[in-house]
Amino acid sequence: GEDVEQSLFLSVREGDSSVINCTYTDSSSTYLYWYKQEPGAGLQLLTYIFSNMDMKQDQRLTVLLNKKDKHLSLRIADTQTGDSAIYFCAESRVNDMRFGAGTRLTVKP
Amino acid sequence: ETGVTQTPRHLVMGMTNKKSLKCEQHLGHNAMYWYKQSAKKPLELMFVYNFKEQTENNSVPSRFSPECPNSSHLFLHLHTLQPEDSALYLCASSQLGQVDTQYFGPGTRLTVL
Repeated sequence: GEDVEQSLFLSVREGDSSVINCTYTDSSSTYLYWYKQEPGAGLQLLTYIFSNMDMKQDQRLTVLLNKKDKHLSLRIADTQTGDSAIYFCAESRVNDMRFGAGTRLTVKP
Repeated sequence: ETGVTQTPRHLVMGMTNKKSLKCEQHLGHNAMYWYKQSAKKPLELMFVYNFKEQTENNSVPSRFSPECPNSSHLFLHLHTLQPEDSALYLCASSQLGQVDTQYFGPGTRLTVL
């Protein structure tokens, strides 16, 4: 299987919470990341979490890490239409990073 | 504006053509990367350059040829590509060793006919 796995699509209504899930395989990963890619743009680092943390909150974003299960999630509270994008989960290794295939989040008005 | 620019933004080429993708970073970084983004597949790292020296080549076919004349510019020369090479090609840059703080360009959407 792939090193980093994500579901490909998620659709929510404006104002609801979105939860994007990711699983990874390298237990030695030091940091785990969420990137956002809007149409026509490159990847932008959204947030990250150090591997010895369980949770990180940054305004509307909450990252949860279950290191035992190698599961990472990104929760977006009060999702807005401007949050529609592709979200990539990534894990860092010694010399490179491994990305998931991306989850396309669609926010309906 | 991420500080990393790529040209062209869109490219359509035949299998017998030769073309080049260009990336330029204005951030003072000394490491540059080429990634391939295919639909529904993980982002694939293709090449890494540190201080203009290629340090990684992830088994990329020889029809892709990178060039890094200086730490601000990175090229990807393309020749005799296949339709399955159609993808978004992303360039990124970072400080040496800080692979986890890469800044990405907007990408070149390549279509091979």
